[in-house]
Amino acid sequence: DAKTTQPNSMESNEEEPVHLPCNHSTISGTDYIHWYRQLPSQGPEYVIHGLTSNVNNRMASLAIAEDRKSSTLILHRATLRDAAVYYCIPQERGATNKLIFGTGTLLAVQP
Amino acid sequence: GAVVSQHPSRVICKSGTSVKIECRSLDFQATTMFWYRQFPKQSLMLMATSNEGSKATYEQGVEKDKFLINHASLTLSTLTVTSAHPEDSSFYICSVDGQVRDTQYFGPGTRLTVL
Repeated sequence: DAKTTQPNSMESNEEEPVHLPCNHSTISGTDYIHWYRQLPSQGPEYVIHGLTSNVNNRMASLAIAEDRKSSTLILHRATLRDAAVYYCIPQERGATNKLIFGTGTLLAVQP
Repeated sequence: GAVVSQHPSRVICKSGTSVKIECRSLDFQATTMFWYRQFPKQSLMLMATSNEGSKATYEQGVEKDKFLINHASLTLSTLTVTSAHPEDSSFYICSVDGQVRDTQYFGPGTRLTVL
């Protein structure tokens, strides 16, 4: 399983963009890069995922480096409800699509 | 996405008793479900992969005789913590493999406290 490195914590102000980085230098060529987030006392929820190209959805954007050794999750306008732990997870597609969670980044959003 | 429920949301039990936690996929037929455990201030740890109609696959270091998993239907998987001890107190979370959608859908979690 590819290892990931994320900042332990980050702070943002409400209504401002947030860039959450993740290094995954040992990622294999077939691993997708998934992002999940976990609000306090809840199960994680899916945010976004991609393979090589940048991806956008209603929640966020995912920018993937050309060498795929790093990626950045972009929240365009942070809200108080975005305060959560964000996990970057390389996932090998296969018979079992299991997710191995790292330590993640705790995002605090200030009003 | 799929809606996943867990029951109970919170349980307190005495040491030595067994506790069953249910995970239901309400609108999606799940061939594969996953069980995780999360201690306070820590990340999720995958315990096992639950496959409908077959035996679960446990991660290294997880005792299969202590954490019994049953996945008898496409909408229900159960985790039974047998002879629970205080060190088993944790937040237990299940997820459904979205397969084609390449995502997992998580339940809200079950807080287990063993006295």
